[in-house]
Amino acid sequence: QVQLQESGPGLVKPSETLSLTCTVSGRSVTTYYLNWIRQPPGKGLEWIGYIYYSGSTNYNPSLKSRVTISVDTSKNQFSLKLNSVTAADTAVYYCEIAGYWGQGTLVTVAS
Amino acid sequence: EIVLTQSPATLSLSPGERATLSCRASQSLSSSLAWYQQKPGQAPRLLIFGASNRATGIPARFSGSGSGTDFTLTISSLEPEDFAVYYCQQRSNWPYFGGGTKVEIK
Repeated sequence: QVQLQESGPGLVKPSETLSLTCTVSGRSVTTYYLNWIRQPPGKGLEWIGYIYYSGSTNYNPSLKSRVTISVDTSKNQFSLKLNSVTAADTAVYYCEIAGYWGQGTLVTVAS
Repeated sequence: EIVLTQSPATLSLSPGERATLSCRASQSLSSSLAWYQQKPGQAPRLLIFGASNRATGIPARFSGSGSGTDFTLTISSLEPEDFAVYYCQQRSNWPYFGGGTKVEIK
């Protein structure tokens, strides 16, 4: 059974860096494209970007200048960093692999 | 950039009725389209991939069709648990989502 679990701070101050990790069990991260997706409260889904285990990445152009996604195959994890955050980055952040989703984690940007 | 437009934004139906949801792409996607269901407070659940293939465990009342730029998700007979928001997603280089269709109880 494939399970994904997001972890990281639930509160980030404006201008700082949001950092999240997705821990995967039941499937190797070396097999799929590893996605981060977010959903602002009451709004739709926004794809942030993905990484392949080889390290190749693809980011949403609207976020590209602020996003870094990385993978740690030894821990079967992948991570998201979003810098210079503002209130507009407040959202539930999900990790996703091949149709399997984590439960999501709410990150609030506030001082 | 490929834009996905879902219609209608809201669909008001009664249990037992047929639901037809549309997703239109600004460029051809071949069959690289997925459909998701999302209920309040939950992560999206994959329903359909490759435009017409049901994901594991998805009931047969859910079906997907289409190719190119026009895609449809059909729920043949709505069950109470089917009232939710549905999103389409292109599975190309930039896997953007459509804006969603809310299926609500009439």
